Amino acid sequence: GAVVSQHPSRVICKSGTSVKIECRSLDFQATTMFWYRQFPKQSLMLMATSNEGSKATYEQGVEKDKFLINHASLTLSTLTVTSAHPEDSSFYICSASRGFGETQYFGPGTRLLVL
Amino acid sequence: RKEVEQDPGPFNVPEGATVAFNCTYSNSASQSFFWYRQDCRKEPKLLMSVYSSGNEDGRFTAQLNRASQYISLLIRDSKLSDSATYLCVVNAGTNAGKSTFGDGTTLTVKP
Repeated sequence: GAVVSQHPSRVICKSGTSVKIECRSLDFQATTMFWYRQFPKQSLMLMATSNEGSKATYEQGVEKDKFLINHASLTLSTLTVTSAHPEDSSFYICSASRGFGETQYFGPGTRLLVL
Repeated sequence: RKEVEQDPGPFNVPEGATVAFNCTYSNSASQSFFWYRQDCRKEPKLLMSVYSSGNEDGRFTAQLNRASQYISLLIRDSKLSDSATYLCVVNAGTNAGKSTFGDGTTLTVKP
């Protein structure tokens, strides 16, 4: 199987703080990792695509300075929400893929609530 | 027009019913196709890949029609546990391997 973990699963923070979310592929090497956001009753929205060792590619409308992505190894990518605000409250989900066009395996997601 | 379009539903069916979901995609260069299911407040989970020859996994059958740029998912003998949102996913094989997700079709199976 292909297992992807995320940590933390849930976080509550004050407005203005930064939150770091980790995404790990546990039993395979992930050439590419993706970060999504999903608001209640809405579809998944791709935020950025992250390839190991290179800069992330952000989707239009996603601020790269606010959502910092680091993909330092083939098993770990991190998303840091800097200076979080209440409107950043959402369900953040990562996925990992072995390569181009390969199946994406999703992490369990992180629920962020910014007060 | 969206790159991947699905009928949002909701589909409300009784247990034991057969239900079919459709999905169309606009990029004729698309190469990989998948169905995922997402339960409420959970992450999407791969249900099955979709091949031109069609593929079946138990009560689930997926079909791909490249000429019509159309994908389908058939669920036979619906169970209560099939209630979820079903996501159609298309990958063009380019653009860094990014996949395009449909908005999902919601299925509720009732006793």
